[in-house]
Amino acid sequence: DAKTTQPPSMDCAEGRAANLPCNHSTISGNEYVYWYRQIHSQGPQYIIHGLKNNETNEMASLIITEDRKSSTLILPHATLRDTAVYYCIVRVAQDDKIIFGKGTRLHILP
Amino acid sequence: DAGITQSPRHKVTETGTPVTLRCHQTENHRYMYWYRQDPGHGLRLIHYSYGVKDTDKGEVSDGYSVSRSKTEDFLLTLESATSSQTSVYFCAIRDRVDGELFFGEGSRLTVL
Repeated sequence: DAKTTQPPSMDCAEGRAANLPCNHSTISGNEYVYWYRQIHSQGPQYIIHGLKNNETNEMASLIITEDRKSSTLILPHATLRDTAVYYCIVRVAQDDKIIFGKGTRLHILP
Repeated sequence: DAGITQSPRHKVTETGTPVTLRCHQTENHRYMYWYRQDPGHGLRLIHYSYGVKDTDKGEVSDGYSVSRSKTEDFLLTLESATSSQTSVYFCAIRDRVDGELFFGEGSRLTVL
């Protein structure tokens, strides 16, 4: 079973920051938070992951709350090409069985 | 892009026929996965492999079998295809323990 809860859909205006929430209230201390996205029928693409600290890369930022029970993926300047389904996954690094939930469908509005 | 090739990319078959989907990688990654994707269900894990000849079941393994006789190939077999197995199938690979998944382009299977 997926260990995360995400809103089924969200809208964001083009050029604004898109903030995608993920609730993982039962996360354990050694579980990482991973984010992927899937652009229309393509294979999903890795975005970012983190354990405790906030992380940033060229695609996005990941903000994890201090109690680690929730996180937010931030796309700083959303474009139409960011329209996709975004998946938040929680897993122990050594866990080979990787389960996806249903994700959040993000619509970027022109 | 990760070197993952899925074949065939599209297949139409009839109920009761056997079908094999192939995932081929050139990255020498240890871990390989098969997922299916259907409207309203997101991505669901079918089977995965953590090494040559080492495989395990995922969430929806009934009606599917897999084999991995060499590092680069992970085969998904439907022994007797049913209409409920009409889906898009994605293969993924992963290298290290905490590594991310890299996905193939998908194989669209239609069972009539």
